Amino acid sequence: DAKTTQPNSMESNEEEPVHLPCNHSTISGTDYIHWYRQLPSQGPEYVIHGLTSNVNNRMASLAIAEDRKSSTLILHRATLRDAAVYYCILRDLGGMRFGAGTRLTVKP
Amino acid sequence: GAVVSQHPSRVICKSGTSVKIECRSLDFQATTMFWYRQFPKKSLMLMATSNEGSKATYEQGVEKDKFLINHASLTLSTLTVTSAHPEDSSFYICSARDQGTKAFFGQGTRLTVV
Repeated sequence: DAKTTQPNSMESNEEEPVHLPCNHSTISGTDYIHWYRQLPSQGPEYVIHGLTSNVNNRMASLAIAEDRKSSTLILHRATLRDAAVYYCILRDLGGMRFGAGTRLTVKP
Repeated sequence: GAVVSQHPSRVICKSGTSVKIECRSLDFQATTMFWYRQFPKKSLMLMATSNEGSKATYEQGVEKDKFLINHASLTLSTLTVTSAHPEDSSFYICSARDQGTKAFFGQGTRLTVV
């Protein structure tokens, strides 16, 4: 399985944008890039996914590098409720395999 | 969005007993469901892939006789932890995939074996 590399932790101030990076240099042509987040004692929550083009939804934006070897999840205005562990996952058809993720701390 | 429901959310059982955890897809049919477990401060670990009407596929190192998985319908998969021991205490999470590429996760079940 292609692996992803994310920083262990990041901090942000409330109301400011957050850019969460993910490297996936061994991504294959059919791998979708998925982002999920997990709040304490809850199951992961879908955030966004994409294949080649940048994607926007009500939660976030996903910027995918032209060579697809990296991507960035963008939270436009961080709130305290966005504090969570964010996982960047490459997926074809099987089960999702989670790395360590990035623990995002949002400071008021 | 699609909803996956897990039950119970929390269970305490005695060592040596068995515990069943249910995972239901509430508004879509899931031919494939996945079971994970998560230890404190750790990431999710995929345990098995559950296919409706057939045997589950277990990840390497996961005992199939210990963790019995049944996927009898398109909306229900169950995980039974047999002869539970304290080291089986963990957070168990299921997920289901819809027709697309998204996966939806249950809220998790915290199992404590005493």
